[in-house]
Amino acid sequence: SQELEQSPQSLIVQEGKNLTINCTSSKTLYGLYWYKQKYGEGLIFLMMLQKGGEEKSHEKITAKLDEKKQQSSLHITASQPSHAGIYLCGAGPSNTGKLIFGQGTTLQVKP
Amino acid sequence: NAGVTQTPKFQVLKTGQSMTLQCAQDMNHEYMSWYRQDPGMGLRLIHYSVGAGITDQGEVPNGYNVSRSTTEDFPLRLLSAAPSQTSVYFCASNRASRGRVGFHEQYFGPGTRLTVT
Repeated sequence: SQELEQSPQSLIVQEGKNLTINCTSSKTLYGLYWYKQKYGEGLIFLMMLQKGGEEKSHEKITAKLDEKKQQSSLHITASQPSHAGIYLCGAGPSNTGKLIFGQGTTLQVKP
Repeated sequence: NAGVTQTPKFQVLKTGQSMTLQCAQDMNHEYMSWYRQDPGMGLRLIHYSVGAGITDQGEVPNGYNVSRSTTEDFPLRLLSAAPSQTSVYFCASNRASRGRVGFHEQYFGPGTRLTVT
């Protein structure tokens, strides 16, 4: 079965610093999703990547999927306290509503 | 649209009690799923449904039942609550995908925080 490994598990950065979160799959990814979760709340969709080499950006967050479609990275530029939360990558192993998720990366941004 | 709604938001049960977590969506999505979230383990799929009358097991189905009599509703039943079922439960829905391309984002409800003592 497919597994997703996120790194690092937790991250504390100073406001204004850049950071990267990685998501590695044991199998080829056919759809990679990034979600953000604020403490005690539901998941907010950030981006979805499907094609090898694809890159998407939204405000100061950029996500990439490598050419081999087994690794994705999420990069935050000039982090702000509003970026704090748990970032989860999810992948669809097939054409269904079944997503598997990484264990999450907890981000703290110190003002 | 209300999106995906879940009730209750919080629940405390005693071991052995049963209860139903409610989930509803108003987006006419074919797919609905139940996940549980535990510290350090991300989200794990409990059960999912690809349409009314069709359900299947996910990664951690034991101790839970589901049914899908309508497109809108997907309740999760705990038959005999155990402390190991203390968790945060999320319901999600998305449109069906056709072929390998065309994955659609899953919309998540706000979650139900369940404690079993």
